[in-house]
Amino acid sequence: AQSVTQPDIHITVSEGASLELRCNYSYGATPYLFWYVQSPGQGLQLLLKYFSGDTLVQGIKGFEAEFKRSQSSFNLRKPSVHWSDAAEYFCAVGAGSGGYQKVTFGTGTKLQVIP
Amino acid sequence: GAVVSQHPSWVICKSGTSVKIECRSLDFQATTMFWYRQFPKQSLMLMATSNEGSKATYEQGVEKDKFLINHASLTLSTLTVTSAHPEDSSFYICSVPRGRYTEAFFGQGTRLTVV
Repeated sequence: AQSVTQPDIHITVSEGASLELRCNYSYGATPYLFWYVQSPGQGLQLLLKYFSGDTLVQGIKGFEAEFKRSQSSFNLRKPSVHWSDAAEYFCAVGAGSGGYQKVTFGTGTKLQVIP
Repeated sequence: GAVVSQHPSWVICKSGTSVKIECRSLDFQATTMFWYRQFPKQSLMLMATSNEGSKATYEQGVEKDKFLINHASLTLSTLTVTSAHPEDSSFYICSVPRGRYTEAFFGQGTRLTVV
């Protein structure tokens, strides 16, 4: 079974600073990887996904993530954080089974942005 | 626009009553849908897989008699929380997988408060 670890429960960064959120996964085959963002009281928004091909993936809102198979990692980055990026971020791994993606989420990282 | 509609967005009910949550796929016929639960300040945990035309598949530890799932048609799955208790208060969210090589789409979620 697949699993996801997000080592940082809570991260605080200054507005304009760079950001990196860590994600490690465990899965026996080629993983399908996702980053979602959840604002307080809201649903999930997909930031980006990796299925195959280029290991550096560009997403929405200026986010990118790099898949590193050797490290079983899929870290999310943003060069300059905006106050509106404050939210909870979930890394997820999908297992292709039965013709669809069954997704397992990490525990989440809460991002706080200070002026 | 949204491709998965979940209703209601929030609901407050009294202990002992039942609550039904609907998940509709607006533009895709889905033989499978997923239901997740998110306790406050925690991650999303898969509760069950809703299967059109057959019984739902529940994850370990989820009471199938308490969380009734009905996949009435290729566009509608319902989750009924029966005899609700305060500990059932949570954020429930559904997802519609769209294929092995693409991400699932999530509903907006339902915040259930049992008083």
